[in-house]
Amino acid sequence: TAGITQAPTSQILAAGRSMTLRCTQDMRHNAMYWYRQDLGLGLRLIHYSNTAGTTGKGEVPDGYSVSRANTDDFPLTLASAVPSQTSVYFCASSEQGGPSSGNTIYFGEGSWLTVV
Amino acid sequence: AQSVTQLDSQVPVFEEAPVELRCNYSSSVSVYLFWYVQYPNQGLQLLLKYLSGSTLVKGINGFEAEFNKSQTSFHLRKPSVHISDTAEYFCAVSDRGTGANNLFFGTGTRLTVIP
Repeated sequence: TAGITQAPTSQILAAGRSMTLRCTQDMRHNAMYWYRQDLGLGLRLIHYSNTAGTTGKGEVPDGYSVSRANTDDFPLTLASAVPSQTSVYFCASSEQGGPSSGNTIYFGEGSWLTVV
Repeated sequence: AQSVTQLDSQVPVFEEAPVELRCNYSSSVSVYLFWYVQYPNQGLQLLLKYLSGSTLVKGINGFEAEFNKSQTSFHLRKPSVHISDTAEYFCAVSDRGTGANNLFFGTGTRLTVIP
């Protein structure tokens, strides 16, 4: 089973350029998330979506935008990349209600982004 | 606000020895607790979670964790580790039933199993 597919796997991006990280899930989960992982900081939530058509801000939303046109896809866009956005980005999903309902969050394999 | 503290950033242990990875949390409401494992160059996968009931939770790969409400802890244990257990381990907490759709992670503990 595919679960959550992220693309690209890795990318080097010039500062000031825009980029969209793609995420698709085949589990028909209502909730989806984008996290970034940085050494010594663990994982931090960027944006989330409880269901198609809705999105919300997480802990570190500045410089990022998301959309949720349908259940399966949840792209993350960096409008004008800066070096501090160099990170590993994880897309994730869960059943409706998310972890506050005790549901497990399932993660993709990650997208390694370097902004130079 | 919730927070999670993983007291050890790195834990080296010899193969077949026991291990305990420590996790403490703080929250003003009741919580659900999770442990995730991340193998090199992979995403995170769930090891186990505490929702309610017995405070001793058993997970995959022989791991278990004990919820201690009075000490606000959720330490992860394994009686005998294998080389394949070398990975990063993350403790995480979520408020119970608040609708806040986030999982707050600790900074991780890197377990290295020495042959």
